Amino acid sequence: ILNVEQSPQSLHVQEGDSTNFTCSFPSSNFYALHWYRWETAKSPEALFVMTLNGDEKKKGRISATLNTKEGYSYLYIKGSQPEDSATYLCAINTDKLIFGTGTRLQVFP
Amino acid sequence: DVKVTQSSRYLVKRTGEKVFLECVQDMDHENMFWYRQDPGLGLRLIYFSYDVKMKEKGDIPEGYSVSREKKERFSLILESASTNQTSMYLCASSLGTSGEQFFGPGTRLTVL
Repeated sequence: ILNVEQSPQSLHVQEGDSTNFTCSFPSSNFYALHWYRWETAKSPEALFVMTLNGDEKKKGRISATLNTKEGYSYLYIKGSQPEDSATYLCAINTDKLIFGTGTRLQVFP
Repeated sequence: DVKVTQSSRYLVKRTGEKVFLECVQDMDHENMFWYRQDPGLGLRLIYFSYDVKMKEKGDIPEGYSVSREKKERFSLILESASTNQTSMYLCASSLGTSGEQFFGPGTRLTVL
């Protein structure tokens, strides 16, 4: 089973701080890399689906990059807000999704 | 608005009971998935299905079975619930192999 690792496990930041997390994976043999945001008491929601080495995606203050050659993806949040508090999951898509354990972000006002 | 619904948000069952968790999607997706989420372990795939009446084992199928009689409905069955099956269960669906998955709200199952 491929292992997807995310770091850090948890993160506490002040409102306005920018932050980033890492997703590491051992192989580039997958269709796509997914990022999901999972807020408490809600369903996980897709942020990005990335397929190509060098891919960069952006949605508002959140952006992500993918480096398949070196086996990592970064998720960046610029100017964190309390509503960004959630668990951020990454997953690689082979014929099924293999998830990391997530990074739990808490943004304090 | 796309939607995946699960039959219960919270469920409490006794050891040995047969448990059905239902999932329905209204997006005409071919693919459906059942995961469980446990602290420190992330989402783990139990079973998935690419079409009606088809099912494939995921990474942790032991103690579970599934049923997909209709395209929109994917049921997870615990034949004889055990305490180690206490967990959050999430259903998801997707259109293509590499497409994003749409998740239901989850069912928190407690087995006493």
